[in-house]
Amino acid sequence: NAGVTQTPKFRILKIGQSMTLQCTQDMNHNYMYWYRQDPGMGLKLIYYSVGAGITDKGEVPNGYNVSRSTTEDFPLRLELAAPSQTSVYFCASSYGTNQPQHFGDGTRLSIL
Amino acid sequence: GNSVTQMEGPVTLSEEAFLTINCTYTATGYPSLFWYVQYPGEGLQLLLKATKADDKGSNKGFEATYRKETTSFHLEKGSVQVSDSAVYFCALGGEKLTFGTGTRLTIIP
Repeated sequence: NAGVTQTPKFRILKIGQSMTLQCTQDMNHNYMYWYRQDPGMGLKLIYYSVGAGITDKGEVPNGYNVSRSTTEDFPLRLELAAPSQTSVYFCASSYGTNQPQHFGDGTRLSIL
Repeated sequence: GNSVTQMEGPVTLSEEAFLTINCTYTATGYPSLFWYVQYPGEGLQLLLKATKADDKGSNKGFEATYRKETTSFHLEKGSVQVSDSAVYFCALGGEKLTFGTGTRLTIIP
């Protein structure tokens, strides 16, 4: 079972560049999430989605955008990358409210 | 709103020691409770869960009991191993999970 798949695993960007972090899940989960984890820190929710066509902001949405056109995919877009966005990004999915989330292996992003 | 307060680390124990990592919560309603584990360089993995008061979740020798009267969900293991070294997160259920700040555990041989 693939579960939650994130690509790429590593990426280095220059300040001002843009990129899209890909996330896909094969568990037919309605809910999907994007988190960032700074070194030695906990998780901060960036955006989440409760179904195709529906997205909502988390606690740290500035500088990011998302879309959810299918149940399987939930890409995260970084526009005008800044050094403060250097982090590890995790995508997760769940069946719904109050259910455990399944996490991908993360994308390690450095912005120089 | 919902919140989770988790024992601060880092925690260092000798192999075969008893482990407790404290977790207390504030919540409306009756959310599920979870413990996640994160090994170095990896994503979070669900370790165990409990869905209602007095439920005990268990996995890989770890246990936690959903205590409504004390609003707690402490993680315990009777005899830790070097391979248990990781970061542990307590989480509260809902539309979005509410995570604690994580506790880094190091087990020395």
